[in-house]
Amino acid sequence: GENVEQHPSTLSVQEGDSAVIKCTYSDSASNYFPWYKQELGKGPQLIIDIRSNVGEKKDQRIAVTLNKTAKHFSLHITETQPEDSAVYFCAASHGAGTALIFGKGTTLSVSS
Amino acid sequence: AAGVIQSPRHLIKEKRETATLKCYPIPRHDTVYWYQQGPGQDPQFLISFYEKMQSDKGSIPDRFSAQQFSDYHSELNMSSLELGDSALYFCASSLVARGTEAFFGQGTRLTVV
Repeated sequence: GENVEQHPSTLSVQEGDSAVIKCTYSDSASNYFPWYKQELGKGPQLIIDIRSNVGEKKDQRIAVTLNKTAKHFSLHITETQPEDSAVYFCAASHGAGTALIFGKGTTLSVSS
Repeated sequence: AAGVIQSPRHLIKEKRETATLKCYPIPRHDTVYWYQQGPGQDPQFLISFYEKMQSDKGSIPDRFSAQQFSDYHSELNMSSLELGDSALYFCASSLVARGTEAFFGQGTRLTVV
């Protein structure tokens, strides 16, 4: 089955710096790669996603890149703000209706 | 916009009891997923349903069962509860025709004592 590795497990940055979180996946059949932000006691919130036919996607301060050959994808957050502090999870799936397999999460702390 | 609704938000049960968690997906979404998240852990996939049929199965114990009803809401039934079942249980929903974007509810915190 699919296995998703996520690094780093914790990341501390100063406000205004950039943050990068990296994930690798094992199953070449996976074709959908979302990123979720989870705040304490809340459900995961979808922040951006990418499909296997696209190499990069950007939404304001957030961008995701995908390298299908190397089976890795990354989340980039620019101009970080204290409210970006949360746990971020990457995930992979085979497509609509199938399970999302999550990485172990990255705890991002942005200090002002 | 309407979100995924889960009930109850908190549930305390004793060992060997039974619990039922409910999930109401976003209107017009046809797929429901159930996840279990232990403290400090990533969400673990349990089971999913598409158009009321089981579409995928993960690490769901035999003591658990789930179904999706004609109105698309779903219930997760958990029997012979164990201390290790204490966790956050999340439901997510998606619309297959629109792709794989899955939106999560706020979860049910189950505590088994």
